[in-house]
Amino acid sequence: AQTVTQSQPEMSVQEAETVTLSCTYDTSESDYYLFWYKQPPSRQMILVIRQEAYKQQNATENRFSVNFQKAAKSFSLKISDSQLGDAAMYFCALGNTGNQFYFGTGTSLTVIP
Amino acid sequence: GAGVSQTPSNKVTEKGKYVELRCDPISGHTALYWYRQSLGQGPEFLIYFQGTGAADDSGLPNDRFFAVRPEGSVSTLKIQRTERGDSAVYLCASSLTNGRQETQYFGPGTRLLVL
Repeated sequence: AQTVTQSQPEMSVQEAETVTLSCTYDTSESDYYLFWYKQPPSRQMILVIRQEAYKQQNATENRFSVNFQKAAKSFSLKISDSQLGDAAMYFCALGNTGNQFYFGTGTSLTVIP
Repeated sequence: GAGVSQTPSNKVTEKGKYVELRCDPISGHTALYWYRQSLGQGPEFLIYFQGTGAADDSGLPNDRFFAVRPEGSVSTLKIQRTERGDSAVYLCASSLTNGRQETQYFGPGTRLLVL
């Protein structure tokens, strides 16, 4: 079975500070992909960052980076220099055999001015 | 179009009615997915199309739910005899090809409310 767990229903961060969102997953497969999506109130899921499991190097996209710990099955998202526009729901997702994505329950991020 | 579009944006219906939800994927994307997102939850997989055929419909909750993609582009999710428990946001996504490595691009969803 494939599962994705986000243990932080809500997080908050001061503007310009750094915040880390946690995600753990479980899969029996060795070849898989991990994604972080952002969902603002508009409901549109927007890709933030993706990580290939076979790559040891952590993915980065501007202010967004991940800490991928394959042995621990952990995939956390770090947001640096937080901006008001970063406020949204963040979902961690696992993609492996079968093409469907498995999503966590999300973390609601509040950015405090 | 530039992104995945879904219509209608919101749909209110009465219990027992039939509804159709439409998804227009990114041009050229061969794979199309439907997910259902209940309040406070992450999206849950319903069905996946590769081209015109449903390659995996294991997520459809029961036979009241059906989806088609007759020309390999636009897809319609059909729900018969709607129930209050069907109320949710229905998300559509598309990807260039199938495969676990492909990023799925999502539409804004259709919020369905069954009274």
